[in-house]
Amino acid sequence: DAGVTQSPTHLIKTRGQQVTLRCSPKSGHDTVSWYQQALGQGPQFIFQYYEEEERQRGNFPDRFSGHQFPNYSSELNVNALLLGDSALYLCASSRPNTGELFFGEGSRLTVL
Amino acid sequence: TQLLEQSPQFLSIQEGENLTVYCNSSSVFSSLQWYRQEPGEGPVLLVTVVTGGEVKKLKRLTFQFGDARKDSSLHITAAQPGDTGLYLCAGGAGGTSYGKLTFGQGTILTVHP
Repeated sequence: DAGVTQSPTHLIKTRGQQVTLRCSPKSGHDTVSWYQQALGQGPQFIFQYYEEEERQRGNFPDRFSGHQFPNYSSELNVNALLLGDSALYLCASSRPNTGELFFGEGSRLTVL
Repeated sequence: TQLLEQSPQFLSIQEGENLTVYCNSSSVFSSLQWYRQEPGEGPVLLVTVVTGGEVKKLKRLTFQFGDARKDSSLHITAAQPGDTGLYLCAGGAGGTSYGKLTFGQGTILTVHP
C-alpha cells in the first residue's frame, strides 16, 4: 500500500518564477492538506482540498493556490516566488472528517 | 489565532536518561497529536489524545492531555539513540476544521550513545 507520494523532492527556482508541486494521497484517502515548513519551525497549514474544492485555508497570500483532481491527487502552485518561500512543502492525506494525517516526505523548495 | 508553544526547543541527553517535552496553549483544542520527524522525511503520527486528562502509552513513550485540553506532555523513559528526532505537537480544532492542525515549533531531541 503506497503512502503519500510527492514530487519533485527537491527543486531550485529564482525570485519571480512560478512552481507547481504534486501530491498523490494514500490509498483510500480523499482529503489532501498542504503545509509549509520553514527551517527550524513546525509546519504551517496552507489549505485543504476535498471533493476537488478548497475547503479550508490558512494565512497564506493568494500567490498560493491549489487544485485537486478527480483521482484525489493534488497540486500546489506558488506564483511570483519570494526568497521567503524557501521551505519544505508537505502534503498530508486523510480520510473524510478525521484529523489523522499521513504526510509525504515533502518537496524542498529553494528560491534564489 | 491559536498558538502552541513547545519546550524545550533543544534537548541533548545521554542514552538511558528520561525526558519530558511540553506543549502549551491558551486555546482549547478538540484533539492533540504528537508527531516525530526525521531529517528529509515528513512527520509521522505517534499518538492522538482527545479527552481531557487522557494518558496514552506507546512502549517507552507516555503522552498526556491536560484536563482543560490546552496542554500536553510527552515523556520518554530510558531514551535510546533511535529516539533522536524532531518531536512536534499539533492541535486540532475538530468539526469542520479536520485536517487543519496548529503545530508547535518542535523539540529537537538528540540522544547520545
